Amino acid sequence: QQQVKQSPQSLIVQKGGISIINCAYENTAFDYFPWYQQFPGKGPALLIAIRPDVSEKKEGRFTISFNKSAKQFSLHIMDSQPGDSATYFCAARRAAGNKLTFGGGTRVLVKP
Amino acid sequence: DAGITQSPRHKVTETGTPVTLRCHQTENHRYMYWYRQDPGHGLRLIHYSYGVKDTDKGEVSDGYSVSRSKTEDFLLTLESATSSQTSVYFCAISEGISGANVLTFGAGSRLTVL
Repeated sequence: QQQVKQSPQSLIVQKGGISIINCAYENTAFDYFPWYQQFPGKGPALLIAIRPDVSEKKEGRFTISFNKSAKQFSLHIMDSQPGDSATYFCAARRAAGNKLTFGGGTRVLVKP
Repeated sequence: DAGITQSPRHKVTETGTPVTLRCHQTENHRYMYWYRQDPGHGLRLIHYSYGVKDTDKGEVSDGYSVSRSKTEDFLLTLESATSSQTSVYFCAISEGISGANVLTFGAGSRLTVL
């Protein structure tokens, strides 16, 4: 079963718009929630991450919102740019072994 | 890709043949991981290592084995490749398991099993 569910699977947004990707998890043993960005032909690269005791974290145009009681978190990309076109993965970490469980991914296309 | 080299980057093989993928790191990190990436499934953990000769299974370990005889190398072996193992395989490394020690990924190895 997929322990981290991610939606939508794909997203098209106009340049300057807001991209929103949502994730939900089940296992309360997760202790860290990173987001990865992946360009075609490349490996995933860490974008931003949040701990469950924080409700929001912002880095530049990227913001994570975290709702611990609902076991949900989301990525907001403000002022989306064509260079943001990529696949985004949410993930959740189990401290034992530092193992990440990933969502299914969201392909974002930013139209100029 | 942050001191991680995967080889080969591309491989086409036939069902039933053995395949070994290599991950080499220059970061001297203790933790190494093998994930596979398939559409709709994100990345799924196959095996990981927490030190030389110390390995453990992930969520999709059936049909795969690993070995780590040196800190810098982590090998993934498919003893008898099947078409369901056609995938992109990513190696990842981590310095530790606490705090902000998240995974850093290599560029991937694309395997096609005919």
